[in-house]
Amino acid sequence: EVQLLESGGGLVQPRGSLRLSCAASGFTFSTYAMIWVRQAPGKGLEWVSGISGSGGRTYYADSVKGRFTISRDNSKNTLYLQMNSLRVEDTAVYYCAKDTALVTAWYFDLWGRGTLVTVSS
Amino acid sequence: EIVMTQSPATLSVSPGERATLSCRASQSVTSNLAWYQQKPGQAPRLLIYDASTRATGIPARFSGSGSGTEFTLTISSLQSEDFAVYYCQQYNNWPSFGPGTKVDIK
Repeated sequence: EVQLLESGGGLVQPRGSLRLSCAASGFTFSTYAMIWVRQAPGKGLEWVSGISGSGGRTYYADSVKGRFTISRDNSKNTLYLQMNSLRVEDTAVYYCAKDTALVTAWYFDLWGRGTLVTVSS
Repeated sequence: EIVMTQSPATLSVSPGERATLSCRASQSVTSNLAWYQQKPGQAPRLLIYDASTRATGIPARFSGSGSGTEFTLTISSLQSEDFAVYYCQQYNNWPSFGPGTKVDIK
């Protein structure tokens, strides 16, 4: 079955860290760019970060640049998002999604169900 | 940054009726525009890309049109499963999403 499954969300204090994972199955993971998109409670969608199929190119929204790091392990078919210096405004459901191209086409044809990150003291 | 706006914020439609959703970009995105459907508690689902191409498995009642800064998603005859929030997204530059249009039952 073609699917993405996120994990690693939870409650963290401001300035804390968290690492999200996204396990992919049912497609050739290494041949597609991948991204993270987040959705704050009751709000719309916000692109966070992207990575090419090889992992050689990474991209970040200004709101997370310098704090978040995207990576992937193609041998494990897994995408990661290391989140440091977390802020209250980072609270959101984080989705991983599959791009339609090896580098980035920047539209996404497969999404996971999301993992909730809550930043609060 | 390209800012996307959508109208209306909420659209009340009866089953079987036609729904027309609008999306506007703050600058030209040529045809680099996608539409997604999101139901409560679910992940978004790609409906349309390149402004007018239906994604795999998307019914023909969904159609997209437009280019430049003005785009439209049309659902020709609303089915019960189509009541959801719809987002447009440009990918001519760093990706950005519109705020969404909620389609609910009239």
